[in-house]
Amino acid sequence: NAGVTQTPKFQVLKTGQSMTLQCAQDMNHNSMYWYRQDPGMGLRLIYYSASEGTTDKGEVPNGYNVSRLNKREFSLRLESAAPSQTSVYFCASSEQDTNQPQHFGDGTRLSIL
Amino acid sequence: GDSVTQMEGPVTLSEEAFLTINCTYTATGYPSLFWYVQYPGEGLQLLLKATKADDKGSNKGFEATYRKETTSFHLEKGSVQVSDSAVYFCALTNFGNEKLTFGTGTRLTIIP
Repeated sequence: NAGVTQTPKFQVLKTGQSMTLQCAQDMNHNSMYWYRQDPGMGLRLIYYSASEGTTDKGEVPNGYNVSRLNKREFSLRLESAAPSQTSVYFCASSEQDTNQPQHFGDGTRLSIL
Repeated sequence: GDSVTQMEGPVTLSEEAFLTINCTYTATGYPSLFWYVQYPGEGLQLLLKATKADDKGSNKGFEATYRKETTSFHLEKGSVQVSDSAVYFCALTNFGNEKLTFGTGTRLTIIP
């Protein structure tokens, strides 16, 4: 029972480079989310997807793009990385039910030099 | 909009001490309330939840009661262990919107 799987676990980039963070869930959830976690700021929502084929901006979408490839997979892309995007990124998934919890991956630690 | 306020950390306690981490919220309607725990190097895990007023969520010796009159969902444990050292997040969802609104987290360290 893998749950939510994120790859890679660690990455170091130079300013201006691009990369894609991958996320896959095996719980047949409709909703998927990308968050970033910064010290003292909790988790902030970057983008979410309520179902396959739909995506919406969250609190901090600037500098990111997402793709809901299918029901299982939801990727996050940094087109031109900036030092301000150094963070820990978490993917999550859930049922479309406000009473149900979100299930989180173990995170990707991303450093932009 | 909705918001969650948690007590500032870090919190350091001795083993077997009583724990309270305060959480209050601002939301219209009837939100669902959650406590998540994050152990070092891991993602967040659901610790407990409550979906309506006066509900008590409980798990692993932790408890929290949904108090609508004080808009609070304080986390308590009677006797903490070293293994409870983690960051604790209070969060809510609201009707028609399953996106979570998080507090900033409280780092808890338990010393033997």
